[in-house]
Amino acid sequence: DQQVKQNSPSLSVQEGRISILNCDYTNSMFDYFLWYKKYPAEGPTFLISISSIKDKNEDGRFTVFLNKSAKHLSLHIVPSQPGDSAVYFCAASEGTGTASKLTFGTGTRLQVTL
Amino acid sequence: DTEVTQTPKHLVMGMTNKKSLKCEQHMGHRAMYWYKQKAKKPPELMFVYSYEKLSINESVPSRFSPECPNSSLLNLHLHALQPEDSALYLCASSQGDREDGYTFGSGTRLTVV
Repeated sequence: DQQVKQNSPSLSVQEGRISILNCDYTNSMFDYFLWYKKYPAEGPTFLISISSIKDKNEDGRFTVFLNKSAKHLSLHIVPSQPGDSAVYFCAASEGTGTASKLTFGTGTRLQVTL
Repeated sequence: DTEVTQTPKHLVMGMTNKKSLKCEQHMGHRAMYWYKQKAKKPPELMFVYSYEKLSINESVPSRFSPECPNSSLLNLHLHALQPEDSALYLCASSQGDREDGYTFGSGTRLTVV
């Protein structure tokens, strides 16, 4: 039972254009959502998060949008750069404080081409 | 120091061996986690330690035994593993402010032969 899904296994975008990565979830108890970037043979690196009480959060080139009624979130990267090429995981958090747990989506491999 | 350090980076072990994975952080984080990641799959939660006490065990087989000797260290003791346990084992830590996410280590690539 995959509670967090990323339906696009891969995405190719030209340098300078917008990358949009999508994520859907089923568990209504999730109240924080996060995006991680992962290179091969490395651990995931935290990018940006959003609370379930917000619908948008922005940090530099990265913006996350949350549509709680649709149980859908997306990550926008503008402008895309070759160094953004990696696997992106959406993750959802439930629980409180240090007893919370993070559930990861299936990942989307982003390739930014020149 | 803003890192989570995992050792060893690579480990090959036989099915009758006993080995341990080590994780260390000096950020003062009070929660530490073990995740397992198989190829082309997302990381899957195994254990959560909060204030040095085991708070979540995701029904992990007893051949995996976690230990938190102090607030900076997290170990995963391995015994009688199966080849299907071969995976990347990731350690993470967090302060508990969920908007800041977890800090992950680079992982230990485990191969069981």
